[in-house]
Amino acid sequence: GESVGLHLPTLSVQEGDNSIINCAYSNSASDYFIWYKQESGKGPQFIIDIRSNMDKRQGQRVTVLLNKTVKHLSLQIAATQPGDSAVYFCAEGGIYNFNKFYFGSGTKLNVKP
Amino acid sequence: NAGVMQNPRHLVRRRGQEARLRCSPMKGHSHVYWYRQLPEEGLKFMVYLQKENIIDESGMPKERFSAEFPKEGPSILRIQQVVRGDSAAYFCASSPGTEKYEQYFGPGTRLTVT
Repeated sequence: GESVGLHLPTLSVQEGDNSIINCAYSNSASDYFIWYKQESGKGPQFIIDIRSNMDKRQGQRVTVLLNKTVKHLSLQIAATQPGDSAVYFCAEGGIYNFNKFYFGSGTKLNVKP
Repeated sequence: NAGVMQNPRHLVRRRGQEARLRCSPMKGHSHVYWYRQLPEEGLKFMVYLQKENIIDESGMPKERFSAEFPKEGPSILRIQQVVRGDSAAYFCASSPGTEKYEQYFGPGTRLTVT
């Protein structure tokens, strides 16, 4: 089956620095990717998405980069804040599999004040 | 516009009992997905439903687990004869439809089997 994995299980950054969270996916047929943020005891919160016909998408303080050649996805958070501390998941999916998503195991982001 | 609602938020069941988890999708969303999450792990897809139809249940155990999304009312994930290994957080997500892929998650139901 598909697998979605993350390179770094835990990432610690200083408040104000930029954060980069990486993700590798294995299914070249995936055409849609989402980054979710999950705080302790809560459900995943949608951050940003990107379709396979794009290689970059920007939101408020966040940027997602997609490299289909090496099947790699990254989430960049600018000027990281304490409120960004959470577990971040990338998920792959798309119309080919009825829109169900496959999630990686997550990266825990710790923001030090 | 209320988000995805799930209840109960916490559920404790003894081994052998039944667990019923409810999910009300966001207004205007007709697609519901159930996921399961073990501590320190990612979410695992279980089942995808539309109104009165199960579209994909490939992630759901063949025995004891069932799901429905009736014409009226919330989607229900039902676990019969629960065992300790069923203890997990169960999340429901909804989306507008196949033309829009984004899924929005509820707060989850944390099931504990004693």
